[in-house]
Order: sequence, then C-alpha cells, then structure tokens
Amino acid sequence: ETAVFQTPNYHVTQVGNEVSFNCKQTLGHDTMYWYKQDSKKLLKIMFSYNNKQLIVNETVPRRFSPQSSDKAHLNLRIKSVEPEDSAVYLCASSYLGENTLYFGAGTRLSVL
Amino acid sequence: GDSVTQKQGQVTLSEDDFLFINCTYSTTTYPTLLWYVQYLGQGPQLLLKVTTANNKGISRGFEATYDKGTTSFHLQKASVQESDSAVYFCALVNSGTYQRFGTGTKLQVVP
Repeated sequence: ETAVFQTPNYHVTQVGNEVSFNCKQTLGHDTMYWYKQDSKKLLKIMFSYNNKQLIVNETVPRRFSPQSSDKAHLNLRIKSVEPEDSAVYLCASSYLGENTLYFGAGTRLSVL
Repeated sequence: GDSVTQKQGQVTLSEDDFLFINCTYSTTTYPTLLWYVQYLGQGPQLLLKVTTANNKGISRGFEATYDKGTTSFHLQKASVQESDSAVYFCALVNSGTYQRFGTGTKLQVVP
C-alpha cells in the first residue's frame, strides 16, 4: 500500500529551466528525505528534514533547494537544471532514529 | 567513513536456483544492516534488517546474517522465482546518521 506519494511521475525539461517535485507521506513520520538515483541505480542522499528542520545536507549543488511546509511534506526545487540532473529523485520517510525507510515511487527527470 | 560494497552488478539465475548476493561493509561502530529490494518502476522497500551482530534476518524466504568478524551481510535464498527479479540494495545505518546504500545488484531470474 503506497504511503509516500510523489508527483509528477515523470518530467522532461530543457537545460536552464526550473522544476519542482512534490512529496507527501501519510505515515505520520517525523523525518523525510530526498535521494537521487542515477542511471546506474546508485542511491545518494541529498537532504533530510526532521519536523521541518534541515538535518542533513550532503554536497549538493546550490541550485537544489528543499522546502518543507510541515512534517508530512517535503518538496524539491531545482532552480536551473543541468544535463547531469537527469535521474530519478526518490522521496522517503521514517521516524527519527527508526531504521526503516519508506520510499515513494520516484520522479524521473529528463533534461534535454 | 561508513561504506557498503556490493561487488556484483548483475546476477542471472534460472528459477529454483540458489541466490547469493555479496555485501560487505566498513564502519567503526555496530551499525544496523539492511537489505532493500526495488522492483521495476517502484521505490526501494525494506526486505530485512538486523540490528545485532551474529543475528540473522529472515523475510519472504530471503535471509542474511550479520557477520561482525568478516564485516559481511550477504543475502541468500534457497530457490528463486521469476517474481524475485529486481534490484537488491545492501545498506547500513548508524545511530544519528542517514542510511548508506551499496551500489545495488540486479537480479534477473529466467523461467
């Protein structure tokens, strides 16, 4: 049963455009994450929020900015996309300190 | 820093074959070790996890043993089915940090 919802499923855009991805979880978790999965399936943490507070910010270009309105929502904005941003962006949630991550189905971004 | 290594990029088996996916880890503490499975078009989902050294995790016919001596957490299954075709990720997490994933092993099971 899906409990982490991501929109859109797929987005195609051109270099230099701005894109936004949405994520909502209905599990009551207090912590949410964005992971980037590249074409080789490699999963890399980008950001983590706990109760709307940023707690993890890995080495991510400044054009990426997360936005959290409440603990159930974590969006991701990319200000000016570049070709290397083409990937699947996966949102996940958990309770802080709980080791199981619950992932959404991902948003596939293609930058032309 | 913490790291997880999966040496096998892809494994191809026939139905009812034995599955073994290699995973080793590197850390200075006693982490929780996990296996996730990602089916086509979906996000990863937890398959099993073990928090205590020398313990075994079992789920849906898959098992993995936390071996502190060899720093390994290999995934095994006695008899794979076509429906097991997916990408399998080994991961570790230490208290207060985020999960680190291996590079994934794509399993293809042919009928």
